Amino acid sequence: EPEVTQTPSHQVTQMGQEVILRCVPISNHLYFYWYRQILGQKVEFLVSFYNNEISEKSEIFDDQFSVERPDGSNFTLKIRSTKLEDSAMYFCASRGQVGYTFGSGTRLTVV
Amino acid sequence: KQEVTQIPAALSVPEGENLVLNCSFTDSAIYNLQWFRQDPGKGLTSLLLIQSSQREQTSGRLNASLDKSSGRSTLYIAASQPGDSATYLCAVPLGGYQKVTFGIGTKLQVIP
Repeated sequence: EPEVTQTPSHQVTQMGQEVILRCVPISNHLYFYWYRQILGQKVEFLVSFYNNEISEKSEIFDDQFSVERPDGSNFTLKIRSTKLEDSAMYFCASRGQVGYTFGSGTRLTVV
Repeated sequence: KQEVTQIPAALSVPEGENLVLNCSFTDSAIYNLQWFRQDPGKGLTSLLLIQSSQREQTSGRLNASLDKSSGRSTLYIAASQPGDSATYLCAVPLGGYQKVTFGIGTKLQVIP
C-alpha cells in the first residue's frame, strides 16, 4: 500500500535554529498538506499546497514557516527560527481518491 | 468555521464488547468524513472514508455511519480486542481537497 514517508522521525533543535522537515508524498497525489499536533491537543492544519503553490494556510503558518516542493518527489516544511512553542508532532499528508494519507510524523523538540 | 466534537473523550471496555464512538460536526456541507486511528506517539492510520453521498462504510469489525443532515457520524467497533486500544479521530474536510478539521479524539482502552 502506498505510503507518505517523513524524515526524520525525531528532531531536537535549539531555540532560534532553522529546521527542515521532509516528506515524500504518494507519487500520483497532487495535493499536499502539513499539520501539527501539540502534545495532548488536536491535530491542526498548517498549510495546503497544490500546483507548486500554497492554496491555503492557517494563522499558525506565519512568516517563520515556508513550504517547498524542490523536485518531483519531496515536500518540505521549513521553520526559520524555532521557538519553544513549535515543539510538536508534524504530519505531512497527501490527498488522493481514497481520502487523505498521513505520514508517521516528525516529532520536533525545541530546547 | 467547521467544529468537530467527539464523545466520549475516553472509553474503557472489557475485551469482546461492541462499542460506539461518536463524532459531530457543525457545518453539514461536507465532502466526506474520514476516521483515523492514532497509537501513542505515532502517526494517523486511515480506517474508513465515507463519501457525503454514502450512509455507511464497513471494513472488517469496523462500521462507520454518516448522517450529514444532523451533522453526525458514528464508528462502531464489534467484538473489541486489546489491540484496538488507541485514540480514534474523526476528520472532516469542507471541500474536496480543502483542509481537514479534526476532533480531539476518543481514547479507547480495551481491557483483556
